[in-house]
Amino acid sequence: GQNIDQPTEMTATEGAIVQINCTYQTSGFNGLFWYQQHAGEAPTFLSYNVLDGLEEKGRFSSFLSRSKGYSYLLLKELQMKDSASYLCAVFKAAGNKLTFGGGTRVLVKP
Amino acid sequence: EAGVVQSPRYKIIEKKQPVAFWCNPISGHNTLYWYRQNLGQGPELLIRYENEEAVDDSQLPKDRFSAERLKGVDSTLKIQPAELGDSAVYLCASSLTGEQYFGPGTRLTVT
Repeated sequence: GQNIDQPTEMTATEGAIVQINCTYQTSGFNGLFWYQQHAGEAPTFLSYNVLDGLEEKGRFSSFLSRSKGYSYLLLKELQMKDSASYLCAVFKAAGNKLTFGGGTRVLVKP
Repeated sequence: EAGVVQSPRYKIIEKKQPVAFWCNPISGHNTLYWYRQNLGQGPELLIRYENEEAVDDSQLPKDRFSAERLKGVDSTLKIQPAELGDSAVYLCASSLTGEQYFGPGTRLTVT
């Protein structure tokens, strides 16, 4: 089976930094995706980590430690439009399958 | 390039009624997924297609849910009869390799 945990909700101030943690226990692992989902909209791709380490993409960075079953998404210089849910998902190439965590709802306040 | 298209966007039905959702994936994407997303939760896979073949339907409640993907392009997901607990957003996604692209979803409310 698969177990993917992330906090339910986080609140931060505009301009600040927020780190969303994701831990996973899976029977197979080929990579980890982060998706952003605004209320009432489709999830959209943010990042994909296969190897250990930090991947930086503008204001967003994602980190992976395969040995620890741990990832985080770092959002810097927060903007109001970053208020959304952030979904962590484990990818298994066998079966071309994504398994999602419950999502972390981030609320950015002025 | 057009994204994944779904219709309808919203549907309200009474329990025990049938309902169908339609999905048109991104052109050229062989793999198509149907997910169900309950409020405040992540998407849960219902069924995955490789071309026209359903290769993973282990999470599809087969007593009331059915799906098809004729000609390996568009897909339809049906619920008959609907129950109150089926109220959720039904997301369709497609992929070529790895990254999945999601449609806007159909928000189903069963009253």
